[in-house]
Amino acid sequence: NAGVTQTPKFQVLKTGQSMTLQCAQDMNHNSMYWYRQDPGMGLRLIYYSASEGTTDKGEVPNGYNVSRLNKREFSLRLESAAPSQTSVYFCASRIGPTTDYGYTFGSGTRLTVV
Amino acid sequence: GQSLEQPSEVTAVEGAIVQINCTYQTSGFYGLSWYQQHDGGAPTFLSYNALDGLEETGRFSSFLSRSDSYGYLLLQELQMKDSASYFCAVRRDDKIIFGKGTRLHILP
Repeated sequence: NAGVTQTPKFQVLKTGQSMTLQCAQDMNHNSMYWYRQDPGMGLRLIYYSASEGTTDKGEVPNGYNVSRLNKREFSLRLESAAPSQTSVYFCASRIGPTTDYGYTFGSGTRLTVV
Repeated sequence: GQSLEQPSEVTAVEGAIVQINCTYQTSGFYGLSWYQQHDGGAPTFLSYNALDGLEETGRFSSFLSRSDSYGYLLLQELQMKDSASYFCAVRRDDKIIFGKGTRLHILP
């Protein structure tokens, strides 16, 4: 089925460990995004890639890095995980950066940092 | 910058109608979107309003007043499966900014 695929679905890390969250879409979308969701905080933009070859910071980029590997894939890396990064992470994509049609979201990665 | 305000919770009765409001402050407004998210699930796109007026999609409708910087999502004939969180969102340049969400509780 077409859509956005995120891996892993669940992860537990120890403080200081690193990991990469993977995201891939097969809808030929140009723009891809990483959000985090915390209780009562809604969805906050971490990083985004308006098109292949570009990445930009969102509202809460500290502690994260991203790579737009190709048009399909956009990964999020935590270099040294902290308990404050415990959250649900969503990847999303849409056809273009200035398209007003909605996002398609992945199913999320539930990350716990202990 | 921009901000979006929506109520944190709304409660309604099965079969009734409920309205979820959203006010926004943003520079360079392009349109207002609505998303639904069930517990443990991913947000899903519901509707988009670029112009003033009402857009209807089945039991759901969305309204926008650009002069008032205000919009709402209207859910009719409420069903238990409509219990979820609803987010309004606006586009700023090449990214979308979300409100904090409204939790809709439905009573039988």
